[in-house]
Amino acid sequence: NAGVTQTPKFQVLKTGQSMTLQCAQDMNHEYMSWYRQDPGMGLRLIHYSVGAGITDQGEVPNGYNVSRSTTEDFPLRLLSAAPSQTSVYFCASSRGTGTSYGYTFGSGTRLTVV
Amino acid sequence: KQEVTQIPAALSVPEGENLVLNCSFTDSAIYNLQWFRQDPGKGLTSLLLIQSSQREQTSGRLNASLDKSSGRSTLYIAASQPGDSATYLCAVPISSGSARQLTFGSGTQLTVLP
Repeated sequence: NAGVTQTPKFQVLKTGQSMTLQCAQDMNHEYMSWYRQDPGMGLRLIHYSVGAGITDQGEVPNGYNVSRSTTEDFPLRLLSAAPSQTSVYFCASSRGTGTSYGYTFGSGTRLTVV
Repeated sequence: KQEVTQIPAALSVPEGENLVLNCSFTDSAIYNLQWFRQDPGKGLTSLLLIQSSQREQTSGRLNASLDKSSGRSTLYIAASQPGDSATYLCAVPISSGSARQLTFGSGTQLTVLP
């Protein structure tokens, strides 16, 4: 089982550039989400989706867009990259929104904005 | 607001020792608690998911306990090995509408010395 796959693993962007971080899961999970991990800040929720066609904002959504056209894929778009978006980004999925389910995380994308 | 605390922040032990990592949370009304490990520069690997109705979960040399009333969970690692060196994170989900956000502790960085 591949689980949650994130690409690319590393990326360097210039300020103002846009890009899409890819996330795909092969577990037929309904719930998918994006976190960023920063030193001293822990992991913070950016956006989440409870199913195809349904997305919503998390704790730190500004500067990011998401869409969910299929159950498997949940890409994260940076509209105009800023140095403050330098971080490690993790995609996570869960079987559903029920309270008994745990999370599976991808291996992360390390993004540097210069 | 749910707050999750992990102590100690760092721990160094010789190989073969049994050890306990601690996780405490302020709001005892949790659905479950999940323990992860994170290797340097890597993603989060789920170790154990313990439901609110459970007292313990075991996987190999790992045993997680949960005491909701006191707001505590412990991760017991038996016969530690250098390969156990990593940062260990505990997380509890909080719900607001359809959102399920994991609240993480700041982690315990474990070093097992050969």
